Amino acid sequence: QVQLVESGGGLVKPGGSLRLSCAASGFTFSDYYMSWIRQAPGKGLEWVSYISSSGSTIYYADSVKGRFTISRDNAKNSLYLQMNSLRAEDTAVYYCARDYMDVWGKGTTVTVSS
Amino acid sequence: QSVLTQPPSVSAAPGQKVTISCSGSSSNIGNNYVSWYQQLPGTAPKLLIYDNNKRPSGIPDRFSGSKSGTSATLGITGLQTGDEADYYCGTWDSSLSEGWVFGGGTKLTVL
Repeated sequence: QVQLVESGGGLVKPGGSLRLSCAASGFTFSDYYMSWIRQAPGKGLEWVSYISSSGSTIYYADSVKGRFTISRDNAKNSLYLQMNSLRAEDTAVYYCARDYMDVWGKGTTVTVSS
Repeated sequence: QSVLTQPPSVSAAPGQKVTISCSGSSSNIGNNYVSWYQQLPGTAPKLLIYDNNKRPSGIPDRFSGSKSGTSATLGITGLQTGDEADYYCGTWDSSLSEGWVFGGGTKLTVL
């Protein structure tokens, strides 16, 4: 079945880095654009980044521009989010989602705290 | 402050109908398709409506979507206690900071 599974979350100190992964299965990953979306504790959804099916087109939210890098490996059916210079306000559950967000993973939790 | 404006909460009795509004601008709702997502407590969001008014397979026809100008509306009929959730609208924004935008979310309470 169509599935997205995020991993790589954890506790990191302010200024630190983390790399999230999203493993896709059950569909032709290389046909779809993908997004990362996050949700801070008790808050709403915030779109983070988008990458086209080939990886040639990328967009970022202003809040993460210059600090986060989205990438994908179509041969490995995987999506990534490299997060640098992390701040307390980046603390959230991070979800990967397919296309117009018709499929979501269960999320991985990132906590930025000293 | 979200780019798309939703009411923070709505409520209605079981069996009744409720609508949730989502207001935007010409750079987002006015020129792009709108999606709606349901997030049950403690779970990931789920797509309810896409392309303004289309339902993915498996979504009951109690859920409907519409769009007019720079606003969109989610309708839910025959309310059930299992519909208690947070609902979010979302669309692409073609302004200077191009990207996807969500509404702030609406908490639905089924009394």
